Amino acid sequence: DAKTTQPPSMDCAEGRAANLPCNHSTISGNEYVYWYRQIHSQGPQYIIHGLKNNETNEMASLIITEDRKSSTLILPHATLRDTAVYYCIVRVASGNQFYFGTGTSLTVIP
Amino acid sequence: EADIYQTPRYLVIGTGKKITLECSQTMGHDKMYWYQQDPGMELHLIHYSYGVNSTEKGDLSSESTVSRIRTEHFPLTLESARPSHTSQYLCASSPLGQGGRSEKLFFGSGTQLSVL
Repeated sequence: DAKTTQPPSMDCAEGRAANLPCNHSTISGNEYVYWYRQIHSQGPQYIIHGLKNNETNEMASLIITEDRKSSTLILPHATLRDTAVYYCIVRVASGNQFYFGTGTSLTVIP
Repeated sequence: EADIYQTPRYLVIGTGKKITLECSQTMGHDKMYWYQQDPGMELHLIHYSYGVNSTEKGDLSSESTVSRIRTEHFPLTLESARPSHTSQYLCASSPLGQGGRSEKLFFGSGTQLSVL
């Protein structure tokens, strides 16, 4: 599975959109992009995933570039409860495991 | 909400004791996983299972063992706990992928183990 690169930390003002970038330049055609987040001391929580097209659900939007070498997770109106570590993962469908890496620590500031 | 449960939530135990961390899921998922995570660090896969009587070691070597006698149950055992085993242990499950569709992982709340 391809590896990902994320900034170690980011801040976002409460109520503003949080845009979390992820580079996955070695992604192959059958690998999906997943986003999870981990709030302090809890198990990671699934947010969203996609293959080629942009995706949106009740939690977030996922924008994948046309060449699929990078993506952005958008939290449209960040709240204090969105403070967490966000992991970007690329993985083939039915692969052996999810490699979580070190993620981006997002702090939402009041 | 994911229906995957881990007990105990916290465990403080002395060196040399045998411990079993419990993990159960009610979603009928075939795949189950154990991850180990130290504070501020990455999650490392230590064991996984694709179904009953199937267990595999992950990418991080661990002295723990696992069993999968029932689909819903995936306990992790340490025969003789040591201070180096102090960590958070996270259990997860996912359905088998169908026709190439992607899967999602569902995590329990974790067990924080402290070995004195």
